[in-house]
Amino acid sequence: EVQLVESGGGLVQPGGSLRLSCAASGFTVSSNYMSWVRQAPGKGLEWVSVIYSGGSTYYADSVKGRFTISRDNSKNTLYLQMNSLRAEDTAVYYCARYYYDSSGLRPLNWFDPWGQGTLVTVSS
Amino acid sequence: SYELTQPPSVSVSPGQTARITCSGDALPKQYAYWYQQKPGQAPVLVIYKDSERPSGIPERFSGSSSGTTVTLTISGVQAEDEADYYCQSADSSGTYPRVVFGGGTKLTVL
Repeated sequence: EVQLVESGGGLVQPGGSLRLSCAASGFTVSSNYMSWVRQAPGKGLEWVSVIYSGGSTYYADSVKGRFTISRDNSKNTLYLQMNSLRAEDTAVYYCARYYYDSSGLRPLNWFDPWGQGTLVTVSS
Repeated sequence: SYELTQPPSVSVSPGQTARITCSGDALPKQYAYWYQQKPGQAPVLVIYKDSERPSGIPERFSGSSSGTTVTLTISGVQAEDEADYYCQSADSSGTYPRVVFGGGTKLTVL
């Protein structure tokens, strides 16, 4: 069964750091595109970051320079290192497998499956 | 920046048909995807490539596309379909395709 399990969320002060983990089972993280998506309390979904199977990484402008996405192939785990955290980073963070294919006339890109999410609260 | 626009809410009675729209200038050139999110749960993909249904998703869920608008249709709505629904597409105008989500639509089953 394909499954993603996040961990590492919690309460952190503004300016602090936190590392989220996403353990995958049923498929190989390094062979897939993987992404983080967040959802502030009562708000919609916001894409945060993606790591391609080849290792390229991309970030939303709101987190660029502060967050780093990475993976550990030996542990089949995805990470999100979050530094210089702000109150507006408070959200449930989901990891998701990102299916991407640009070979056709129209690129394909969707998220499936998603993990259950982990809550990050930035507050003093 | 590229945006996808959804109505904040849609209400229907059980057994009726619910239609949720999503509008965006790039939709004629980009596929759209739909996610269902129930309270306290992670999103679940219900439609991909405008109108394809993943395995395990009930046949009452369907998708369509016309110009700059895509539509998620739920036929014979059931109480369990009450949830938030998000459309998603991509903005390929930059160096890499940026994922874009609509603001979400709360479906209420009366």
